[in-house]
Amino acid sequence: GQSLEQPSEVTAVEGAIVQINCTYQTSGFYGLSWYQQHDGGAPTFLSYNALDGLEETGRFSSFLSRSDSYGYLLLQELQMKDSASYFCAVSFNTDKLIFGTGTRLQVFP
Amino acid sequence: EAQVTQNPRYLITVTGKKLTVTCSQNMNHEYMSWYRQDPGLGLRQIYYSMNVEVTDKGDVPEGYKVSRKEKRNFPLILESPSPNQTSLYFCASSSGQGGGYTFGSGTRLTVV
Repeated sequence: GQSLEQPSEVTAVEGAIVQINCTYQTSGFYGLSWYQQHDGGAPTFLSYNALDGLEETGRFSSFLSRSDSYGYLLLQELQMKDSASYFCAVSFNTDKLIFGTGTRLQVFP
Repeated sequence: EAQVTQNPRYLITVTGKKLTVTCSQNMNHEYMSWYRQDPGLGLRQIYYSMNVEVTDKGDVPEGYKVSRKEKRNFPLILESPSPNQTSLYFCASSSGQGGGYTFGSGTRLTVV
């Protein structure tokens, strides 16, 4: 089957760097996306990797390695407002989208 | 403002009473999807649509129907709701691969 695994929870302090991993058991997908969701809110799009390698968007970077069936989201200079759940997702040519189970990030002062 | 609007935000209904959750986007996106979110299960795709009159089943389509008669609208229909459909529902739209999805604010549905 198709599945994406993420750690359930990660904690860090303000100003630190944190990496949220996403390992998957699926193939034939177009790309790997990352979404952020605050409690009570809707998911918001953060980044997308169509190719292997690193994509940087401000404090956030995302990485994909298809050969290792692995990706990660890197958050730098953590702020309290980064406390949220983060989801990886793979998309297919039919626009079918499969989400990971999500990682809850708690940032402490 | 570019947005996805879904209504209602909250709905409590009884088993078997047909309901429709509306979804509309003003970004001229071709792709639209419905998801349900349950604790511990993350977001699961119910149905998706790549264009008008083109819809496909996602991972959990049982008990749901959709239609895409216009580009901007993608309603979710529960013909005979059951308690296991109690969940948080999100509608989302996208311009295509790599563009990312824009999500609506969510509809919290309770079926008693």
